[in-house]
Amino acid sequence: RKEVEQDPGPFNVPEGATVAFNCTYSNSASQSFFWYRQDCRKEPKLLMSVYSSGNEDGRFTAQLNRASQYISLLIRDSKLSDSATYLCVVSLGKAAGNKLTFGGGTRVLVKP
Amino acid sequence: SQTIHQWPATLVQPVGSPLSLECTVEGTSNPNLYWYRQAAGRGLQLLFYSVGIGQISSEVPQNLSASRPQDRQFILSSKKLLLSDSGFYLCAWSVAASRGIGNSPLHFGNGTRLTVT
Repeated sequence: RKEVEQDPGPFNVPEGATVAFNCTYSNSASQSFFWYRQDCRKEPKLLMSVYSSGNEDGRFTAQLNRASQYISLLIRDSKLSDSATYLCVVSLGKAAGNKLTFGGGTRVLVKP
Repeated sequence: SQTIHQWPATLVQPVGSPLSLECTVEGTSNPNLYWYRQAAGRGLQLLFYSVGIGQISSEVPQNLSASRPQDRQFILSSKKLLLSDSGFYLCAWSVAASRGIGNSPLHFGNGTRLTVT
């Protein structure tokens, strides 16, 4: 089993719709969680951290379910500019030198 | 503010030639530094990370090596490139875990697209 797994997609989303996708992780000791966005042929950029209680940043909502070992990202009112690959990232924390493990990414295509 | 510089942006090298990619970070001290590789259509693979000068941890056995000669400089090298070394190489930094902050995210450079022919 991979340490961090994501549905590769693509998720084809009508403009203005809501899309949500998950990311599962295998190590129950994982302590930090992030969502990154990567545009084609560009470097990944931090979208948001994921906190235990869940958090929201504008149209984006991230949640953590430790019992089932997954995190989720929800995008409301999708814009064409939201088209990208969304990478789930998990850290084992300070004991592992803050090493981050990336999922393979979920591709989202927002269409007019 | 912190910035990370990585060069070159693109590189075409023949099989068997050497490689040197350089990355520097400004605006912070004692960062954790990382080299990742992303093959076409694949996820990011951690190659090396460093928590201090001269301290290198290798994640994947291969013909690549890394060095950290200065606090904010990280170099990825190879003596002889293979075709399989082609990919998108990304340098990144994060706040040092030794400061008690073990939850800091990565910040990436713009990447180097390497094609080995």
